Amino acid sequence: DSGVTQTPKHLITATGQRVTLRCSPRSGDLSVYWYQQSLDQGLQFLIQYYNGEERAKGNILERFSAQQFPDLHSELNLSSLELGDSALYFCASSAQGFGNTIYFGEGSWLTVV
Amino acid sequence: SQQGEEDPQALSIQEGENATMNCSYKTSINNLQWYRQNSGRGLVHLILIRSNEREKHSGRLRVTLDTSKKSSSLLITASRAADTASYFCATDARGGADGLTFGKGTHLIIQP
Repeated sequence: DSGVTQTPKHLITATGQRVTLRCSPRSGDLSVYWYQQSLDQGLQFLIQYYNGEERAKGNILERFSAQQFPDLHSELNLSSLELGDSALYFCASSAQGFGNTIYFGEGSWLTVV
Repeated sequence: SQQGEEDPQALSIQEGENATMNCSYKTSINNLQWYRQNSGRGLVHLILIRSNEREKHSGRLRVTLDTSKKSSSLLITASRAADTASYFCATDARGGADGLTFGKGTHLIIQP
């Protein structure tokens, strides 16, 4: 158990819909990261927050947004969903930023039908 | 962008044998990390090696880093069936703007 908690574990939704994925980082970790894993693209870095502020941005679509709240939990919002958004979405956390060990949650499986 | 590339894509060996996986990357890095992922599960951190280190050990794992060749290797000795998983290298590029970048992984199968 990494200490990173993600909900929901599985989600099935229709195209055009909007979903929110939630992440609680390890106790004391200030950095939260979101990754998307799909068969064709592999593991793609989406975005990083550090202590509530956006720190780094990767291949995150404009239809996707994220935030980190004062209690350090984070949410990833996916809107206008398309079939190609079906993937495993991981949240990860670390004590500081990159350069330190990053601990991953078990992921949220999103299926868009 | 895919910074790290693992090789081979898949590897099948007998239990007890050693398994070696390689990773190549393109730009200068601060550190390189190896992760394991069991099917459909989260990634588990195995080992981190910094750019000024050449070799690191953790239990049955041995990682080497050659920054001149921009490559790393992960050796698992005396493999066990439980080592069956996908193994990823991840790099933290200098500047960190691209985040921790993962390769596509090596799928390791240990035959009992």
